[in-house]
Amino acid sequence: KAGVTQTPRYLIKTRGQQVTLSCSPISGHRSVSWYQQTPGQGLQFLFEYFSETQRNKGNFPGRFSGRQFSNSRSEMNVSTLELGDSALYLCASSLSAYNEQFFGPGTRLTVL
Amino acid sequence: QQQVKQSPQSLIVQKGGISIINCAYENTAFDYFPWYQQFPGKGPALLIAIRPDVSEKKEGRFTISFNKSAKQFSLHIMDSQPGDSATYFCAASPPSNTGNQFYFGTGTSLTVIP
Repeated sequence: KAGVTQTPRYLIKTRGQQVTLSCSPISGHRSVSWYQQTPGQGLQFLFEYFSETQRNKGNFPGRFSGRQFSNSRSEMNVSTLELGDSALYLCASSLSAYNEQFFGPGTRLTVL
Repeated sequence: QQQVKQSPQSLIVQKGGISIINCAYENTAFDYFPWYQQFPGKGPALLIAIRPDVSEKKEGRFTISFNKSAKQFSLHIMDSQPGDSATYFCAASPPSNTGNQFYFGTGTSLTVIP
């Protein structure tokens, strides 16, 4: 069974640009969550999607948005990039709430 | 505001020793407490998890101790091995009817010296 895949693995952008990250969950998993990982803050919850609906949202500005498609694949978008957005963005999928979350390898975003 | 506080930030243990990582939480609504292990270049992987109806759960060399009244839980790694060298995260989640929303600690970098 294929694991969670994230593309691209590495990304370099400049301030003010926007970026879209993609996540393909494990087949059959309907819940997809996104996290931002930084050395000082650890993993911080961005949002969760289930059956194409955003079910939970963390405390991040509106520049961070996401969506989920009917095949459960999810995208995350960050507009007007800031230097502080440099981080590892992790996607995790699970069958539903409360099931084990399986993480992808992440997308390393660097904002110059 | 950090909902889950984790300590220590880093830990060095001799091979064969016991590694202990502690976490504390504030929200009494949390009812699921997993521990994740992360190796460089990889995403976190679930190691072991506990619910507050038990005070301890053991899986192989890994044990979670849970103290509901103190709102604390800890990970014990017995007979630590160099292959255990990784970053460990504790997490907490509210009830499942609210969906998946995990709050993570800031991580502990464990180094096991041969």
